[in-house]
Amino acid sequence: QSVLTQPPSVSGAPGQRVTISCTGSSSNIGAGYDVHWYQQLPGTAPKLLIYGNNNRPSGVPDRFSGSKSGTSASLAISGLQAEDEADYYCQSYDSSLSGWVFGGGTKLTVL
Amino acid sequence: EVQLLESGGGLVQPGGSLRLSCAASGFTFSAYAMTWVRQAPGKGLEWVSTINIGGGSTYYAASVKGRFTISRDNSKNTLYLQMNSLRAEDTAVYYCAKGDSWPYYFDYWGQGALVTVSS
Repeated sequence: QSVLTQPPSVSGAPGQRVTISCTGSSSNIGAGYDVHWYQQLPGTAPKLLIYGNNNRPSGVPDRFSGSKSGTSASLAISGLQAEDEADYYCQSYDSSLSGWVFGGGTKLTVL
Repeated sequence: EVQLLESGGGLVQPGGSLRLSCAASGFTFSAYAMTWVRQAPGKGLEWVSTINIGGGSTYYAASVKGRFTISRDNSKNTLYLQMNSLRAEDTAVYYCAKGDSWPYYFDYWGQGALVTVSS
């Protein structure tokens, strides 16, 4: 079981908006540690999508946005496109484990 | 352009050892923490180990502590992961990643090296 909990899968039609949740605890997200998001396209290495809860690296479309509240965080993808079909992972730091933690990953299917 | 290139993966028997390398270019290697993350076949990402800029501080996941050793050679712009007492459950693609802004997110990743532990 992952320290950060994500839904195994989400889906949406092209043009729609989907959200992916990431639930942690008082030793990671709830302790104030930032949440970061990664996109992994099939057969490729992960790519940084959102850092510091809601910041996009250069080149990431503004269709992707992040938020954080309490012990949870969310990734929102608006204007869904076929190329967004991928696995998405949240990540933070856990003070109890003294290490970095990932969510179990969410597979996004574009219908 | 930041590039991270892992090497050293392969097939090893249970109980054996393997050393992964990650050659870095396109950034000042000595100024950034570095990390190893692995992904078992069909599974999610698992943080393995992190090393700070000088190599004086190292961090390990409980699943590998005491068996794996992370190190770096800033003169060669290279990150290493020495893996001993390998088990079947260590079978995975191992990615090296560049860390930024403590307590670090991972802004660049290598393409990965496959490690298979099997008899």
